[in-house]
Amino acid sequence: QQQVKQSPQSLIVQKGGISIINCAYENTAFDYFPWYQQFPGKGPALLIAIRPDVSEKKEGRFTISFNKSAKQFSLHIMDSQPGDSATYFCAASSLANAGGTSYGKLTFGQGTILTVHP
Amino acid sequence: EAQVTQNPRYLITVTGKKLTVTCSQNMNHEYMSWYRQDPGLGLRQIYYSMNVEVTDKGDVPEGYKVSRKEKRNFPLILESPSPNQTSLYFCASSLYGLGVQGLAYEQYFGPGTRLTVT
Repeated sequence: QQQVKQSPQSLIVQKGGISIINCAYENTAFDYFPWYQQFPGKGPALLIAIRPDVSEKKEGRFTISFNKSAKQFSLHIMDSQPGDSATYFCAASSLANAGGTSYGKLTFGQGTILTVHP
Repeated sequence: EAQVTQNPRYLITVTGKKLTVTCSQNMNHEYMSWYRQDPGLGLRQIYYSMNVEVTDKGDVPEGYKVSRKEKRNFPLILESPSPNQTSLYFCASSLYGLGVQGLAYEQYFGPGTRLTVT
């Protein structure tokens, strides 16, 4: 059962364009939504994350938009560069329900392969 | 340099031949985890460990074993590998488990181990 659905599977964008990757979740207990970036031959690395008390978070060219009522969140990459070409994973977790020394599991989306053409 | 290391990086083996993939971190992290990455399925957690001698199953633990005898090491053991365990494996660590005291602790991933079972 895939609790976090990510689209598209692949995305091709021209240099300078906007890349948009979407994720939808089912579990309303989720309260932490990170995005991971993975370059070929490397492990994923945390890119940016958001909590549901805000609708948008921006770090440089990367922005997360969050729609709690629709249970959707998306990653926007402005002025996309060839160096942004990578696989992007959205994820979700429930921190609030973990509590104490409990563990909060990350549920990942299927991944999006982004190619930015020069 | 703070890092998570995995060995081997590439492994081709035959069905039923026991193997171990090692994982080591030098950041004194308490939490460690193993994931497998398959096309169209994203990252799925196999096992995790909150601390030395404390391990628990993730989403897809069948066919795998782990141990945590030292804080820095978290090996993944396949007692009798089968072709459906052909995958890309990642070890990850973080200071504490996600959700401890309601905080999100960044997970640092290793470079991955590509396993092929014939």
